[in-house]
Amino acid sequence: KQEVTQIPAALSVPEGENLVLNCSFTDSAIYNLQWFRQDPGKGLTSLLLIQSSQREQTSGRLNASLDKSSGRSTLYIAASQPGDSATYLCAFLSGTYKYIFGTGTRLKVLA
Amino acid sequence: SAVISQKPSRDICQRGTSLTIQCQVDSQVTMMFWYRQQPGQSLTLIATANQGSEATYESGFVIDKFPISRPNLTFSTLTVSNMSPEDSSIYLCSVSAGGDEQYFGPGTRLTVT
Repeated sequence: KQEVTQIPAALSVPEGENLVLNCSFTDSAIYNLQWFRQDPGKGLTSLLLIQSSQREQTSGRLNASLDKSSGRSTLYIAASQPGDSATYLCAFLSGTYKYIFGTGTRLKVLA
Repeated sequence: SAVISQKPSRDICQRGTSLTIQCQVDSQVTMMFWYRQQPGQSLTLIATANQGSEATYESGFVIDKFPISRPNLTFSTLTVSNMSPEDSSIYLCSVSAGGDEQYFGPGTRLTVT
């Protein structure tokens, strides 16, 4: 069974800190990996998409990397802000063309 | 990219009734997906809906409980039938656009009493 694990499950940090969120998956045969943000009670907002042939993607203060051989992806958030508080989900597109979602990391950035 | 809207945004329903959730996309897409997110949980895929064919359901989800329609390339509905409190969740539709990037609607928050 394909599984996606995110560590830590919850994180509380003071404003300005640089953060690393981890995502590990058991199936190395992935087509891509996507990071999402979800605010409480809301839908998902796409942050970054990494194709299987790529190793990383950057958007503003966000950087995501992908290491298929080790089954890991990391999301790096630079200079965190209170507005970054949300749940962050990773998901990969499997060989059966289905997205498998991680368990999520609940982030709280304190002002 | 794709912009997705869902109706209703939230609803409170009584046990034994049914609710139909609508999903509208601003562009034509081949595949639409329906997910359930139970309180405090991650997303679970209910089914994949392709235009012109029957939806494909994941293990644990059946058509009688979650009938899906896909009448055209921009619209789909999911019905939650004969609801029980265990069906209280956020229901999300999504689509895949260029490069297989997935986009989500704002979700429908369902509470069953």
